[in-house]
Amino acid sequence: GAVVSQHPSWVICKSGTSVKIECRSLDFQATTMFWYRQFPKQSLMLMATSNEGSKATYEQGVEKDKFLINHASLTLSTLTVTSAHPEDSSFYICSAPRVVTGADTQYFGPGTRLTVL
Amino acid sequence: DAKTTQPTSMDCAEGRAANLPCNHSTISGNEYVYWYRQIHSQGPQYIIHGLKNNETNEMASLIITEDRKSSTLILPHATLRDTAVYYCIVRFAQGGSEKLVFGKGTKLTVNP
Repeated sequence: GAVVSQHPSWVICKSGTSVKIECRSLDFQATTMFWYRQFPKQSLMLMATSNEGSKATYEQGVEKDKFLINHASLTLSTLTVTSAHPEDSSFYICSAPRVVTGADTQYFGPGTRLTVL
Repeated sequence: DAKTTQPTSMDCAEGRAANLPCNHSTISGNEYVYWYRQIHSQGPQYIIHGLKNNETNEMASLIITEDRKSSTLILPHATLRDTAVYYCIVRFAQGGSEKLVFGKGTKLTVNP
């Protein structure tokens, strides 16, 4: 199947700093990518839809100025957590849809575990 | 909100078939049924999807009822590595811009 990578796989940072997470589609192009957040023992919650060449679309309750998304190319989307605080500690996962004839399939990255001290 | 209902948890013996049910009584005519699974601390893994017909791939089989209001994911010979949370999701699937909305899923535990 298609491969989506994320970098870094884990990061620890101090409160108040910013952290950038990269999501890449390795063998296909994606005009749209999705960013999810998952807290312990909970399901994935969609944060935003990343659109190549245009602004991201944020889900209700997600602060766009705190979670900056840049879809710089057809294979790369970045999520920057600005002024991170301990409550931002979570598992961040991206996905990218691969469109073939018929229904598309979304492939997920391995996730990035963020710990804010 | 998720449009599906799944049991919270299930157990299965290693080597036996695991049958995971999903109810999606409000599914519309052009919505697909997707199944993903998430092994602890990893990103979700795509398993299979279908519209009306039953589907089979190297991982699993998907059985969709004729009225499309429910489906069953079948892992024919479960192994310990199949222990995971399994998510059943319905969505439109044309063009790649439609998001996936995750419910709580079914935690499948495969026992030796």
